[in-house]
Amino acid sequence: EIVLTQSPATLSLSPGERATLSCGASQSVSSSYLAWYQQKPGLAPRLLIYDASSRATGIPDRFSGSGSGTDFTLTISRLEPEDFAVYYCQQYGSSHYTFGQGTKLEIK
Amino acid sequence: EVQLVESGGGLVQPGGSLRLSCAASGFTFSSYSMNWVRQAPGKGLEWVSYISSSSSTIYYADSVKGRFTISRDNAKNSLYLQMNSLRDEDTAVYYCARDLRYFDLWGQGTLVTVSS
Repeated sequence: EIVLTQSPATLSLSPGERATLSCGASQSVSSSYLAWYQQKPGLAPRLLIYDASSRATGIPDRFSGSGSGTDFTLTISRLEPEDFAVYYCQQYGSSHYTFGQGTKLEIK
Repeated sequence: EVQLVESGGGLVQPGGSLRLSCAASGFTFSSYSMNWVRQAPGKGLEWVSYISSSSSTIYYADSVKGRFTISRDNAKNSLYLQMNSLRDEDTAVYYCARDLRYFDLWGQGTLVTVSS
């Protein structure tokens, strides 16, 4: 099973700032099969990024993903008030999908 | 409207059983693989099970293998999760999610509480 470790656990920033979230894998994720999701309280997760760097339909271009192998990054270029939420990475390079433990992005 | 709607959650005693359903609409359900994902209160996401479009391939997380059974009825546009021998640690919101390997469509979730 591929273990995903997200850092930091909590990120405190202000609107307008740049956010950088990391996701590290215990072994290489094949074909960069990594996704990022945003979850707000009481709601289902929403797909942001798939295949490490492709934005899902309707996702603003301030969200971008990068990385390969074992190191992946989600960047939010300029934070909007609605971006404060919990973010999860997920790998689908193996038959047993796994999620990271999440990064909470909170308002400073 | 493209959507997934879960149902069947509730309160069950340890050792009991429950069957969750997920009704799909607005897309060709039979063309997609599907998954169940759960989230314990205040915790992160945990993938539970996968089923291919034809039911020919099924996977389970180790934490539920031998206790949970995923199935689908393409004629009814429905996905199911039969949960047996439930434990306290199975308490969670259970989501169904459409599979493109990543999960592009999620239901709103149904809460399962295992408690005596």
